[in-house]
Amino acid sequence: QLQLQESGPGLVKPSETLSLTCTVSGGSTTTSNNYWGWIRQTPGKGLQWIGSIYYNGNTYYNPSLKGRVTISVDTSKNQFSLQLTSVTAADTAVYYCATVAGPFQHWGQGTLVAVSS
Amino acid sequence: EIVLTQSPGTLSLSPGERATLSCRASQSVSGNYLAWYQQRPGQAPRLLIYGASSRATGIPDRFSGSGSGTDFTLTISRLEPEDFAVYYCQQYGSSPRTFGLGTKVDIK
Repeated sequence: QLQLQESGPGLVKPSETLSLTCTVSGGSTTTSNNYWGWIRQTPGKGLQWIGSIYYNGNTYYNPSLKGRVTISVDTSKNQFSLQLTSVTAADTAVYYCATVAGPFQHWGQGTLVAVSS
Repeated sequence: EIVLTQSPGTLSLSPGERATLSCRASQSVSGNYLAWYQQRPGQAPRLLIYGASSRATGIPDRFSGSGSGTDFTLTISRLEPEDFAVYYCQQYGSSPRTFGLGTKVDIK
């Protein structure tokens, strides 16, 4: 069964770059017609789609994040990654990776990232 | 951007009762590409319904979705103890994909 697991630092300083990785097991990042995505959740703003990447590397981002987001895939490691630059306290959230089959079908357990000095 | 408004914010019911949750979109959802998720405390959301009315794999048939255009409904026919949770709607018909703020179903 497909499983996803987020990993990365739990604390990032303001103005720095948040970097997270999602490891896929029970499936392959190279499978055609597969999209992979990142979503975050905060108490105040709820769930927010960050962006998605297609198996061929095409990316789609939420315009509200104003060019701060990069999502990439490393097929050799069966992983995909999120980078969010110039973070502020507003980027403190639980970050989830997920498969995207129209809706978000399979989710990782989530990882809390706090932005603080 | 499509804004999804869920109501009520909280629904207090007893086990065995019927729950009716609403999701209204600020504009028509293309293709009726509307999904519902359940989130229990400390867990990730779980896909329940996609395409407004299709149940995801393994979802019990007490969960049903309906609606089209701008008005959608999730119905839980008879609440089981494990159904007390927060429910979110999400549209994936246009970009950016957006979520509602959720309806909490708690025990009366």
